Amino acid sequence: SQQGEEDPQALSIQEGENATMNCSYKTSINNLQWYRQNSGRGLVHLILIRSNEREKHSGRLRVTLDTSKKSSSLLITASRAADTASYFCARGSNYKLTFGKGTLLTVNP
Amino acid sequence: DVKVTQSSRYLVKRTGEKVFLECVQDMDHENMFWYRQDPGLGLRLIYFSYDVKMKEKGDIPEGYSVSREKKERFSLILESASTNQTSMYLCASSLWEGASYEQYFGPGTRLTVT
Repeated sequence: SQQGEEDPQALSIQEGENATMNCSYKTSINNLQWYRQNSGRGLVHLILIRSNEREKHSGRLRVTLDTSKKSSSLLITASRAADTASYFCARGSNYKLTFGKGTLLTVNP
Repeated sequence: DVKVTQSSRYLVKRTGEKVFLECVQDMDHENMFWYRQDPGLGLRLIYFSYDVKMKEKGDIPEGYSVSREKKERFSLILESASTNQTSMYLCASSLWEGASYEQYFGPGTRLTVT
């Protein structure tokens, strides 16, 4: 599938722990983006990393991109209960984004 | 803040009905997108538009059409609704070259076709 894969499909951690989600893809990209979706709502953009970048930070978020391995990871540090959501990576190419199936993160208080 | 609104949060229609889903954005974005989201399948692109009256098929356009008469409004049309079109529909907008910029999403319309 051109969508690639996110790993794991579900992740459950305790508040204060770090959460790491991975994304792999198969085709070339211009950039890779991460989005969050709270239950039953629209998606919210978190961070964008371009194909010539290797690492990017935004607050408690850290994203890495390895184009040689066609993979990316999203690290959320010091997680909070409010971080409970589904997280999607999206591969950017031409006009379009191609989304993965997402990782469901549950942060237990 | 960018705001993307969708005409309904929940919609119930009968098989064979013509269904219109409306999306409006207030940030003068060139690009607009329609996705459907199904459990286990993630988001799949139905259609997108990069300018008024311009449209491109996405990955799953069958059974759908779109209309963009004004820059701020992008409509998704189900000509004859079927039960397999029961889904969450998400609209999004972005600046030009949509893949290079973040997309802003509406809250979604959960459509049930009975």
